[in-house]
Order: sequence, then structure tokens, then C-alpha cells
Amino acid sequence: QVQLVESGGGLVKPGGSLRLSCAASGFTFSDYYMSWIRQAPGKGLEWVSYISSSGSTIYYADSVKGRFTISRDNAKNSLYLQMNSLRAEDTAVYYCARSIANDDAFDIWGQGTMVTVSS
Amino acid sequence: AIRMTQSPSSFSASTGDRVTITCRASQGISSYLAWYQQKPGKAPKLLIYAASTLQSGVPSRFSGSGSGTDFTLTISCLQSEDFATYYCQQYYSYPMYTFGQGTKLEIK
Repeated sequence: QVQLVESGGGLVKPGGSLRLSCAASGFTFSDYYMSWIRQAPGKGLEWVSYISSSGSTIYYADSVKGRFTISRDNAKNSLYLQMNSLRAEDTAVYYCARSIANDDAFDIWGQGTMVTVSS
Repeated sequence: AIRMTQSPSSFSASTGDRVTITCRASQGISSYLAWYQQKPGKAPKLLIYAASTLQSGVPSRFSGSGSGTDFTLTISCLQSEDFATYYCQQYYSYPMYTFGQGTKLEIK
């Protein structure tokens, strides 16, 4: 079935780095725009980054610009988020999500992976 | 950035009730609005997109309306499984998406 599965979360010290992965299955990954969205503990949803289907167009939220890098490997049906210079305020569950074809709502979400930034 | 404000932030209702959640955008977003349901420890689930289009598999008791700056999500007859937190999301300023702060619906 259509599925997204994130991995790579964990505990990291402030200033450290982490790389999140999102494995897609059950659909033609290369046809879809993808995003990362995060949710701090007890808080709402915050869009983090977007990548077009080919990977040629990328956007970031101001809160992560210059520190995070989104990428994808369509041959491996995988999405990535490289997170550098991590801060305490980056602590959150990180979800990868697929945009609906011909629309931009997120119709498929992964289960999320927890990132904790703490000394 | 476009700011999305939901009201109320939380409220209580009973099964069988008809409930309405409101989402207001800080500027016009046409119909570029989605609604999600999130249960504790789970990922959000898409309910409505394009302001009023029901996502496949979502029960027909959910409906959305509005355009411009004011939008509503209505649940016509609350079921026990509907108690959750609901979020609106604008995608007019693609791809700089923003979400509302959430509305927590609790059992009375």
C-alpha cells in the first residue's frame, strides 16, 4: 500500500547534525512533490522544507534556512533531510509528507521520527 | 507570511452533536485550504482539500466550506472516533505553507 516511513531521528547535542530519511513505497515517488513538516512536543504543525518531483526546486522555512538541506533520490524512492547546527528549538517529531497531484494538500504522511536536541 | 487563526482553540461536545470549527486567513487565499485530523501520537490525516473537496475514504459527515479569508469545517454528527485535534492549512503561498494553531475537540 501507499506508505512513507521515516528514520534517522534521535538525541543530538546542540550544534550537532542528523540526517533523516523517508522511504516511499506503493506509488511512483518520482511523480510527486514532497515536504518535511515538524511538530514540537505539545505544539502545532510547522512546514519545514519542500522539494519538487525532479529535485530542481527547493524551498525552506526561514527558521531552518542555511542549516537544513532537503534532497531526494528518485531511483531509491527516498527523501532526505540533512540537519546541521541543530538547536534546542529544532526538537520535534519530523514527518515527511506527499503533496496531492495537482494540488498542494498533504495526502500521505509518514509516522514521524523524533529529533531531540539537548545537552 | 500568511497567518492562519483557528477558533475555538478547544471545546467540548457530545456524540451526535453538529460542530463547526472556523479558520481565518490573514489575507485572501482563494480556496487553497486543507483540513487535517490528528489523534495523539499519530500523523495528521487529510480530511478536506481545496476548501470543500472531501478526501477519498473520509466519512461524509465531514464537510468544508469558505473561500477568501474565512473557512469552516463541519462535522454533522459527531462520532466517538472524531475526538481529536483539527488543523487548517493554507497552500495559497505555495510552497510556503502555514497551518493554524489547532482546535482540540474533547468529549463533554
